[in-house]
Amino acid sequence: NAGVMQNPRHLVRRRGQEARLRCSPMKGHSHVYWYRQLPEEGLKFMVYLQKENIIDESGMPKERFSAEFPKEGPSILRIQQVVRGDSAAYFCASSWFSYTEAFFGQGTRLTVV
Amino acid sequence: QQQVKQSPQSLIVQKGGISIINCAYENTAFDYFPWYQQFPGKGPALLIAIRPDVSEKKEGRFTISFNKSAKQFSLHIMDSQPGDSATYFCAASKIRDDKIIFGKGTRLHILP
Repeated sequence: NAGVMQNPRHLVRRRGQEARLRCSPMKGHSHVYWYRQLPEEGLKFMVYLQKENIIDESGMPKERFSAEFPKEGPSILRIQQVVRGDSAAYFCASSWFSYTEAFFGQGTRLTVV
Repeated sequence: QQQVKQSPQSLIVQKGGISIINCAYENTAFDYFPWYQQFPGKGPALLIAIRPDVSEKKEGRFTISFNKSAKQFSLHIMDSQPGDSATYFCAASKIRDDKIIFGKGTRLHILP
């Protein structure tokens, strides 16, 4: 049973470009969470999604960031017009149902140059 | 406002010693307290978790102690080994609210 798969592992974007981060949850998991980790910082919650629904996006910046989890395919975190401050590790986690153990992926390290 | 406060920021322990990391939380509605371990370049992995209906949970060399009245919980690593060197995060969440709130992490280094 493969774990949470994130790709790409590393992503370099120039300022103003778009970044698309993908997350395939563990088999059977329908809950997906995105977190951002800055160097020497903890993980900051961004968004919680279930299939085709955004449940909680209280941690998402109001502009440029969006997330989706379609009926088919991976969850996508999209950052438009990236800026240097978006450089961070972005982690996705999934769980089977609510209030259960969440498993994290290896993360996508975004560097904006 | 930081909902989960973790200390120390970094910790150095001799091999065989006891590593202790402390966390305090604000929200009394939290009722699930996991600890995650993260190695460089990897994602966090669940280490051990506790619910507030028990005061202690032990799994191998790892023990969580929970003090509900003080709103504090701690991780003890007995017989610490160099392979335990990693960053440890305490966290908290609420029933029916799956958002996990993380502390800022403790970078643990075990001296060989």
